[in-house]
Amino acid sequence: GIQVEQSPPDLILQEGANSTLRCNFSDSVNNLQWFHQNPWGQLINLFYIPSGTKQNGRLSATTVATERYSLLYISSSQTTDSGVYFCAVGVNTGTASKLTFGTGTRLQVTL
Amino acid sequence: AAGVIQSPRHLIKEKRETATLKCYPIPRHDTVYWYQQGPGQDPQFLISFYEKMQSDKGSIPDRFSAQQFSDYHSELNMSSLELGDSALYFCASSRSGGAPRVGELFFGEGSRLTVL
Repeated sequence: GIQVEQSPPDLILQEGANSTLRCNFSDSVNNLQWFHQNPWGQLINLFYIPSGTKQNGRLSATTVATERYSLLYISSSQTTDSGVYFCAVGVNTGTASKLTFGTGTRLQVTL
Repeated sequence: AAGVIQSPRHLIKEKRETATLKCYPIPRHDTVYWYQQGPGQDPQFLISFYEKMQSDKGSIPDRFSAQQFSDYHSELNMSSLELGDSALYFCASSRSGGAPRVGELFFGEGSRLTVL
């Protein structure tokens, strides 16, 4: 199956700092999503971005499908950004297939 | 906007008991997915349904079964529970647009199962 690697595995930032999270995947994909799992366990959709660039407030994401990677940028980080960031990818196989998750980047934003 | 609704949010069971989790997808979404997330792990795919038919299967134990009903809600049944089944169980839904494909997934808040 498709492999999804995320880096770094852990990240500690001071409030106000910027960061870049990376997601590498092993095969061509039809779907790529970024999620934030907050400390209460909720999975929050950040971006649906199989290719191109999107921005939403302090967050932006870029997927370069031909090179099989995606980047999530967090600017001016806040303590509420803490949690685990997951990249998940999907491949259309003729059936309603699944998203495969990476192992996540655990972010802690401190005051 | 309506989201994916899961119930119950928390569930405590003894070993060897049975548990049923329910999921109500976003209206007009035709695909439902179930994921299991153990402590400190990433979510693992269990099973999916497209238009009420099973469409893909992951690492779902034989003790687990699931189905999607005519109103598109789905249930995950887990029998002979083991300690290792303690996890957060997510349901997600997507709209495929007329053909089975991996559309954008929206997740519910999860059901936390604790097996004692």
